[in-house]
Amino acid sequence: DIQMTQSPSSLSASVGDRVTISCKASQDIRNCLHWYQQKPGKAPKLLIYDASNLETGVPPRFSGGGSGTDFTFTISSLQSEDAATYYCQQYDNLPLTFGGGTKVEIK
Amino acid sequence: EVQLVESGGGLVQPGRSLRLSCAASGFTFDDHGMHWVRQVPGKGLEWVSGISWNSGRIGYGDSVKGRFTISRDNVKNSLYLQMNSLRVEDMALYYCAKDRGPGISYYFDDWGPGTLVTVSS
Repeated sequence: DIQMTQSPSSLSASVGDRVTISCKASQDIRNCLHWYQQKPGKAPKLLIYDASNLETGVPPRFSGGGSGTDFTFTISSLQSEDAATYYCQQYDNLPLTFGGGTKVEIK
Repeated sequence: EVQLVESGGGLVQPGRSLRLSCAASGFTFDDHGMHWVRQVPGKGLEWVSGISWNSGRIGYGDSVKGRFTISRDNVKNSLYLQMNSLRVEDMALYYCAKDRGPGISYYFDDWGPGTLVTVSS
């Protein structure tokens, strides 16, 4: 199975800050990676697909990059409504696997 | 509007069985693969199982393989998860999720609110 390792597991940042989350795959997954946002009590929501493509309706302050084993997710200017947990997910091989999540808090 | 509504969760003893259902509406059900994803409250996401549009491709997570069975009824627009030999570690919120494509290897673009499964004696 492909292991997905996210870091950090949590972070605290101020409104307007640039935030970057890392996701590392245990083997080459090309660009077969998505990013989701989950707010408390809600189901996850897709933000980025195929490593770098912004889902329709998602604000452009969210972006993704990387390929192979190393990926990044960036919020260019953190907003209060971005407080949530963010997950990466690979689909290169079954079973589909998620990273452990990164909880983003607002200072 | 896409709607996915899970049902069938509840309290069950270890070793017993439970069947989850997901009623789908607002999209062409047999154009899409479907999945079950679970989450222990306060913890991360775990893919449980997926089934392609025509049930031709099915996959399971390692922790449920051999105990859980996914199925779908394209006439009733419904997805199911038969869970046997339940363990305490299966206790979680179970989400039904729609795949963007017809298979089971892309992304989840719609989710239900989830149904809670509690496994306890």
